[in-house]
This record gives sequence, structure tokens and C-alpha cells, in this order.
Amino acid sequence: NAGVTQTPKFQVLKTGQSMTLQCAQDMNHEYMSWYRQDPGMGLRLIHYSVGAGITDQGEVPNGYNVSRSTTEDFPLRLLSAAPSQTSVYFCASSEGELNTQYFGPGTRLTVL
Amino acid sequence: KQEVTQIPAALSVPEGENLVLNCSFTDSAIYNLQWFRQDPGKGLTSLLLIQSSQREQTSGRLNASLDKSSGRSTLYIAASQPGDSATYLCAVSSRTGNQFYFGTGTSLTVIP
Repeated sequence: NAGVTQTPKFQVLKTGQSMTLQCAQDMNHEYMSWYRQDPGMGLRLIHYSVGAGITDQGEVPNGYNVSRSTTEDFPLRLLSAAPSQTSVYFCASSEGELNTQYFGPGTRLTVL
Repeated sequence: KQEVTQIPAALSVPEGENLVLNCSFTDSAIYNLQWFRQDPGKGLTSLLLIQSSQREQTSGRLNASLDKSSGRSTLYIAASQPGDSATYLCAVSSRTGNQFYFGTGTSLTVIP
């Protein structure tokens, strides 16, 4: 199993650009989520999904969109990038909400 | 909103020492608590998951305890090794179990 994979590893954007961060898992997990990690603030939940076709907002959803058309994939879209979105983004998955979470390696995003 | 605090923020110990990392949370109505390890520039690796009905979990040299009523968890690491050097994060579930709140972590350095 590859586990949870994320692409790209690094990305630099200009303010106002849009992009999609990819996340895929091959463990047939129902629950997937996106976090951002900022210095001194820990990981904060952006969006999550409890299964294909179902998504919901987390703690810091503004400026981000998600969709879940398949069990395997959970992309995160930045609609119009802002410098405040400079961060490291992690995707995670688990069998259900209450199970062990498995994290991807992260995407380091810089918005200029 | 759930607030998670980890003290100390950084810890340096000589190899072989036993140590305790602390995690406290403000809302005791949780479903579970999870301890993670994060190496520099990497994703998170799950160490231990404690359900709210459990008092402790053990894996090798690691032992995690949970006192839900007082809003506290500890991670005990026995006979520390240089390879244990990493940042350790705890995460607690929300009341509904579908969101997780992270502490900012304890950065551990084990000196050979």
C-alpha cells in the first residue's frame, strides 16, 4: 500500500492564482480530511469528508473548496490564493471518524 | 471550542532517561485522543489511540494515559533513544467525533 499520497510536495503561487492540492489513499478509508500547519498554531482542520459525495467544513474553511467524487481522492482547491494561505498542508485518512488517522507527507505552499 | 495545550514546548534529555509529555484539553466530552510523532519536514505518524472509555494504551516503550474528567493525557517514553528525537503532538476528537483538535506539540531532543 502507498498509504496517503499528496502532490505536489512544494508549490509557489502568486496572489490571486488558483490551484488544486491532490490527495489520494489506497486503504479504502471512508474518512478523509485536510489540515494546515502553521508555526505556533498546530494543525487546524480545513475540510473533511465522511464518504464519497459528503463533505463538511472544519475550523478554517474560508478560501478553500473540496469535493469527494470517489473514495480514494479528496482534492483541496484554493480559489484565489492569498499570502495568509502560505502554510504546510496535510491530508489524512482513517477507516472512520473515530479510528487511527494516517497522514500524507504534506505540501509546502508559498503564496507571494 | 476545544483547546489543546502541550507542555513543555521543548524538552532535551540524555539518552536512557524516562520522560513524560503532557497534553491538556478544555472539553472533556471527547471520543478519543491520539498521540502522533512528526519528524522535521515529514508528515505525522500515529503512535497511540486511546478511546474515551480507556485509561491507557501501550506500544513498546510508549505508554499513553487518559484522564478524561480532568482533561489530561500523558505520553510516557521509557529508556529514551536518540531516534526518539521528534515533535510529539496530541489530538483530541470533538464532541461529535468528526473533527480533531491538535496541540502545538512538544519538541523532544534525546542527547546521545
